[in-house]
Amino acid sequence: ETGVTQTPRHLVMGMTNKKSLKCEQHLGHNAMYWYKQSAKKPLELMFVYNFKEQTENNSVPSRFSPECPNSSHLFLHLHTLQPEDSALYLCASSQDRDQTYEQYFGPGTRLTVT
Amino acid sequence: AQSVTQLDSQVPVFEEAPVELRCNYSSSVSVYLFWYVQYPNQGLQLLLKYLSGSTLVKGINGFEAEFNKSQTSFHLRKPSVHISDTAEYFCAVSPYSSASKIIFGSGTRLSIRP
Repeated sequence: ETGVTQTPRHLVMGMTNKKSLKCEQHLGHNAMYWYKQSAKKPLELMFVYNFKEQTENNSVPSRFSPECPNSSHLFLHLHTLQPEDSALYLCASSQDRDQTYEQYFGPGTRLTVT
Repeated sequence: AQSVTQLDSQVPVFEEAPVELRCNYSSSVSVYLFWYVQYPNQGLQLLLKYLSGSTLVKGINGFEAEFNKSQTSFHLRKPSVHISDTAEYFCAVSPYSSASKIIFGSGTRLSIRP
């Protein structure tokens, strides 16, 4: 595997379910991000982790719970979601120390909440 | 706070014609500027970025952009487009003080007609 991978690619869940999204980066980066991409809206930054520590939480509802066990893996745990949470969830990573400021994105998980 | 405005949500262009995708930003502090591209069913990929220096920036796939500080613009151009350029294009900024916090525009869908 190369770059940033995300699983699953598609997920359908009911409002009472609990599921998790997984992201893995194979680039040796130290920062990882979760974004939400909804139709007709700009990408919304949800969480930022730097060296496994959460450095940004953009007022995300508590039904979204991130976890970063190491610099290569990032999870987004989901519970009691709402239909408006249906979106494409993108994971990204970057190497902050080299000052290139480029983020590398995974292909996303298409989430549908029924 | 920063914001990014992409004036055109959709731009249809004939193959081999030139194209310009417009981007304006608002910020009270100095920012880095980016253009990302998202092909169907994929994550975002960096096209080009302006960090400092020459205001004309060249990126991948024959794209270039010009930073205009007085007009707070960062328009993307390509002299001759191909069918393979069909994608969604996102303009983005990040403040010097927090380069990992990228703010994206709502995107411009470029469709190429044969």
